[in-house]
Amino acid sequence: DGGITQSPKYLFRKEGQNVTLSCEQNLNHDAMYWYRQDPGQGLRLIYYSQIVNDFQKGDIAEGYSVSREKKESFPLTVTSAQKNPTAFYLCASLGTGRSGELFFGEGSRLTVL
Amino acid sequence: KNEVEQSPQNLTAQEGEFITINCSYSVGISALHWLQQHPGGGIVSLFMLSSGKKKHGRLIATINIQEKHSSLHITASHPRDSAVYICAVNSNTGNQFYFGTGTSLTVIP
Repeated sequence: DGGITQSPKYLFRKEGQNVTLSCEQNLNHDAMYWYRQDPGQGLRLIYYSQIVNDFQKGDIAEGYSVSREKKESFPLTVTSAQKNPTAFYLCASLGTGRSGELFFGEGSRLTVL
Repeated sequence: KNEVEQSPQNLTAQEGEFITINCSYSVGISALHWLQQHPGGGIVSLFMLSSGKKKHGRLIATINIQEKHSSLHITASHPRDSAVYICAVNSNTGNQFYFGTGTSLTVIP
């Protein structure tokens, strides 16, 4: 079945370490997104990509980096520069045209120790 | 100010009750989405609307473009409907989304 796969589901990191969250989709979608979810807040956009080899900063991009070398893959790196990285991270992709439905992965919960 | 406002924030209902969750938005949109998030965290899309009304099983979603308002209704609610329901709008200036903070629904048997 088509969908989005995020890994790992849970991740623990020591302060000062970079970590990379994986997001893979087999839906043939061009647009992909990374969101951060904190308790009591709506999803906040970190980065998005409309097409391979192109991506744009979202509202809270500082301390994060992404790449889009393949259509199906959009990994997110949480760098040591991110001051408060403990959060739930969601990857999404958007269908095009009449099937413009949002698809989400199961999420990755990052805890900084 | 949030571009998308949802109400109520929290809702507790008895099994079988009719439930309404409201969403108002302040930006121009190409579509509005209703999403469901279960305690495990994954989010699924329930509806995508650009006009009128859609129905899927016991769920009904409506949108009034002129009033910039949408409602999600659940008929004959069931404990398995307990989840967070999120309203999101796709801006008509590009493929950017704005999200409400969610409505946490608990249905008691």
